[in-house]
Amino acid sequence: GAVVSQHPSRVICKSGTSVKIECRSLDFQATTMFWYRQFPKQSLMLMATSNEGSKATYEQGVEKDKFLINHASLTLSTLTVTSAHPEDSSFYICSASGGGEKLFFGSGTQLSVL
Amino acid sequence: DAKTTQPTSMDCAEGRAANLPCNHSTISGNEYVYWYRQIHSQGPQYIIHGLKNNETNEMASLIITEDRKSSTLILPHATLRDTAVYYCIVRVMGYSTLTFGKGTMLLVSP
Repeated sequence: GAVVSQHPSRVICKSGTSVKIECRSLDFQATTMFWYRQFPKQSLMLMATSNEGSKATYEQGVEKDKFLINHASLTLSTLTVTSAHPEDSSFYICSASGGGEKLFFGSGTQLSVL
Repeated sequence: DAKTTQPTSMDCAEGRAANLPCNHSTISGNEYVYWYRQIHSQGPQYIIHGLKNNETNEMASLIITEDRKSSTLILPHATLRDTAVYYCIVRVMGYSTLTFGKGTMLLVSP
């Protein structure tokens, strides 16, 4: 099956720094990518949807200036958490769609902000 | 809000069949039923999906009622590695996202 690679799997950073998370579709062209956030013992919450070459669409309550999403190619999307604070600590997951039947997910990134 | 209703948790003995129910009474004609699972601290894993007919693959079987208002995911011989949160999601095929509800926590015990 199709593979979505997400990197890094775990990151620890100091408060105020920025962190970039990469999401790559390895064997298909991902015209649309989705970014989710998951807090402990909760379900996945959609943060934003990005289409290749255009600006991301953010869900209500998600700060677009804090969570910068770039989808510059059909195989790569990045999420940058700018000026991270402890409350941004969470499990971030990307998913990718080539417009077909299935949506594939990355393995997730555990962000811990000290 | 999620359009599906699932039990919060279920238990299953190893080697037995696990039958996970899902209600989706407001499903539209062009929406498919998808099942994903999430093992702790990992990304969701696709299991199976269907529109009207029952489906089977190497992982599981999906039984959809004739009126499409509910479905059941069947893991024929559950193993300890099947312990996970199982999500039933309805989705229009194509570029739309998946909206996750709370899912069912399946615990497979020896």
